[in-house]
Amino acid sequence: RKEVEQDPGPFNVPEGATVAFNCTYSNSASQSFFWYRQDCRKEPKLLMSVYSSGNEDGRFTAQLNRASQYISLLIRDSKLSDSATYLCVAANTGNQFYFGTGTSLTVIP
Amino acid sequence: GAGVSQTPSNKVTEKGKYVELRCDPISGHTALYWYRQSLGQGPEFLIYFQGTGAADDSGLPNDRFFAVRPEGSVSTLKIQRTERGDSAVYLCASSNQRTDTQYFGPGTRLTVL
Repeated sequence: RKEVEQDPGPFNVPEGATVAFNCTYSNSASQSFFWYRQDCRKEPKLLMSVYSSGNEDGRFTAQLNRASQYISLLIRDSKLSDSATYLCVAANTGNQFYFGTGTSLTVIP
Repeated sequence: GAGVSQTPSNKVTEKGKYVELRCDPISGHTALYWYRQSLGQGPEFLIYFQGTGAADDSGLPNDRFFAVRPEGSVSTLKIQRTERGDSAVYLCASSNQRTDTQYFGPGTRLTVL
């Protein structure tokens, strides 16, 4: 079983739509969680960290549910520039970062 | 300031050859990570350095892979007797602390013919 599992998509949504991604992690000892964004043939870049209380950054909201071991990302008012692959990450105290396979998003004009 | 840099950006080699991939982390970052990313997959952890020492090399797939960071800054990933299955993008990342934000370099695309 993979440490982090994500629906690979693709998600194709119109501009202005709200889209949500979920991922699950298998190690209950995971301590830190992140969402990274990766554009085609580029390196991953941190989108946001995910905190237990949930956190928001503009149009992006991240949630963590430790009991169910899942992490979510909500994107409101989608823009064309949001088109990318979104990678879910769970890290344990031993510094190992586990990435999901990524969820592909295309925002359509 | 300067981000993480990696060289070369692309490397094409023949099966059985030896290759070295270089990573120059963000100045002052003590933690350095190597990942491998195949098409359609997320980055796969290979090795983690804290300072000069390899704190965790459990992700290295076999003994053909080795990495060093002799002065606690630049790191080199070394692959011996390359195989076609080694073809992937090799990503390096650095961070200030073990579980802090990781900043990735642009990667080295390795192709083994």
